Amino acid sequence: KQEVTQIPAALSVPEGENLVLNCSFTDSAIYNLQWFRQDPGKGLTSLLLIQSSQREQTSGRLNASLDKSSGRSTLYIAASQPGDSATYLCAVPLGGSARQLTFGSGTQLTVLP
Amino acid sequence: DTAVSQTPKYLVTQMGNDKSIKCEQNLGHDTMYWYKQDSKKFLKIMFSYNNKELIINETVPNRFSPKSPDKAHLNLHINSLELGDSAVYFCASSQDAEGANTFGSGTRLTVV
Repeated sequence: KQEVTQIPAALSVPEGENLVLNCSFTDSAIYNLQWFRQDPGKGLTSLLLIQSSQREQTSGRLNASLDKSSGRSTLYIAASQPGDSATYLCAVPLGGSARQLTFGSGTQLTVLP
Repeated sequence: DTAVSQTPKYLVTQMGNDKSIKCEQNLGHDTMYWYKQDSKKFLKIMFSYNNKELIINETVPNRFSPKSPDKAHLNLHINSLELGDSAVYFCASSQDAEGANTFGSGTRLTVV
């Protein structure tokens, strides 16, 4: 059974800092990993999708890495801004050919101005 | 806009009632999903459905049933609502096993 863990559960940083969010998963036989952002009371916004054959993906100030063998992914946010404040979730498929996602419990990020 | 849209955004209802939440996607995806986010913000899959199979999470009560009139719609019907059903329900869709999941904005259900 796939289990996803995210640490830290909460993180508060001053504006301008670079930061790293961590995600680990128990079943390394995944074909992708997806990072999402959720603002309070809102839906999920997909940030980055990394296929199993890839090591990393970049979008603007965001960079996500994937190490399947160790069951880990990181989301790196450069030069953080108050607008980055949100909950960040990582998700992987349940396992095998399943497309349903298993989510971590998220990291609540606060960027202080 | 290409998107996954859900209605209603908010739903307040009494215990014992039957209600439905609608979901539509215009992305041309072949698989749709329903997820539940509980009060602790934890997201959990309820159903996935494409034109070939319905996969039901074993923990979902049979009071919940998905209904798909066509490939672009997956509605969620809930019978005999209970207080514990209060949560935010998200619809999502994806195309093939490698595709990204796109989520709707959620329906906040409150059972009183």
